[in-house]
Amino acid sequence: GAGVSQSPRYKVAKRGQDVALRCDPISGHVSLFWYQQALGQGPEFLTYFQNEAQLDKSGLPSDRFFAERPEGSVSTLKIQRTQQEDSAVYLCASSLARRSMNTEAFFGQGTRLTVV
Amino acid sequence: AQTVTQSQPEMSVQEAETVTLSCTYDTSESNYYLFWYKQPPSRQMILVIRQEAYKQQNATENRFSVNFQKAAKSFSLKISDSQLGDTAMYFCAFGTLNGAQKLVFGQGTRLTINP
Repeated sequence: GAGVSQSPRYKVAKRGQDVALRCDPISGHVSLFWYQQALGQGPEFLTYFQNEAQLDKSGLPSDRFFAERPEGSVSTLKIQRTQQEDSAVYLCASSLARRSMNTEAFFGQGTRLTVV
Repeated sequence: AQTVTQSQPEMSVQEAETVTLSCTYDTSESNYYLFWYKQPPSRQMILVIRQEAYKQQNATENRFSVNFQKAAKSFSLKISDSQLGDTAMYFCAFGTLNGAQKLVFGQGTRLTINP
């Protein structure tokens, strides 16, 4: 596709339910990022992939969160046993280069997760 | 750790006016990048302008320009001849080539352009 695609756009989960959020980056993009954006706040870094390697997961808030990118393209962010504080917009971004500051990071439209 | 601060939660100007959004940051890094992103209601973050810290010349992109004061750790965005389509959240962000390839964002400024 022409841009970064995320699905679903909206997700309502009952507390305790597991969810999976998908990110399709721009074809050929090496770097992939996940960010969490709480209501009225700026995005906060969750994790970073270079191809299939997860090089930084320092931003994942708990062991209920994990992400994968097994073939170096599509990525999935999984949240187990969702809690109300997990409610946020989850943004995915990709960029062409390994040294991602040298090139523009393109963002998807995000998935708005609401935990009830 | 790096921090980014945007002290203006909301701003509002009339169409065609010039508006300046403020951003300050804190870092011990010497080699870094600064960004301004626009986030309309569609939620998609769109890059407005980028500045490399080693460049003294302020970046400019059409109606958008920055005032980068490295010593003061200040990075403001000026929007000239503002348009209704400029209405959005604006985020200042910091990134470094050293180690983690991630952006640190400020809290955002909600900008409204009035007709």
